[in-house]
Amino acid sequence: QQQVKQSPQSLIVQKGGISIINCAYENTAFDYFPWYQQFPGKGPALLIAIRPDVSEKKEGRFTISFNKSAKQFSLHIMDSQPGDSATYFCAASTGNQFYFGTGTSLTVIP
Amino acid sequence: KAGVTQTPRYLIKTRGQQVTLSCSPISGHRSVSWYQQTPGQGLQFLFEYFSETQRNKGNFPGRFSGRQFSNSRSEMNVSTLELGDSALYLCASLRDGQRNTEAFFGQGTRLTVV
Repeated sequence: QQQVKQSPQSLIVQKGGISIINCAYENTAFDYFPWYQQFPGKGPALLIAIRPDVSEKKEGRFTISFNKSAKQFSLHIMDSQPGDSATYFCAASTGNQFYFGTGTSLTVIP
Repeated sequence: KAGVTQTPRYLIKTRGQQVTLSCSPISGHRSVSWYQQTPGQGLQFLFEYFSETQRNKGNFPGRFSGRQFSNSRSEMNVSTLELGDSALYLCASLRDGQRNTEAFFGQGTRLTVV
């Protein structure tokens, strides 16, 4: 059973556009929601993370929006660049056990 | 400081064999977790070790096992390999004693079972 559901599976965006990836969870015990970025041949790397006591967190071009009542959170990439082309994973955790979404392959077209 | 080191990077094994993968966490980190990554399934949690003790375990068969040494290095073992075990196996290290903190991943070991 997938504890964290992620969509879309793939996304193609023009350079300068906004990329949006959505995730949903069921377990209300989750209290940490990171997003990881993975390039081919590399392990995932933390991009940005949020805790459920805030509704939004922004770091540069990357923003997490968090809706606790709907049990949903999303990643927005503003001014998307070709270098952002990668696979993005949302995750949720309680303690040190992480549950990952199935990933979104993002392609930014120049 | 050095990141998470996983060895080997690539492995090809025959069905029925067993395999051992190694992970050296970031210096000072005592928590090591293992994940299986396959296309379409994302990352699936295998187990977590902290101070040589398995603290959490995912929903994988007993053919998957692991251990952690006193220097925090960890190994995972898969016995009686099946074709479906072909995957990227990722190790993550976390700072000890901290809840909900960043997991640092290695580059993974690509296991192919033929």
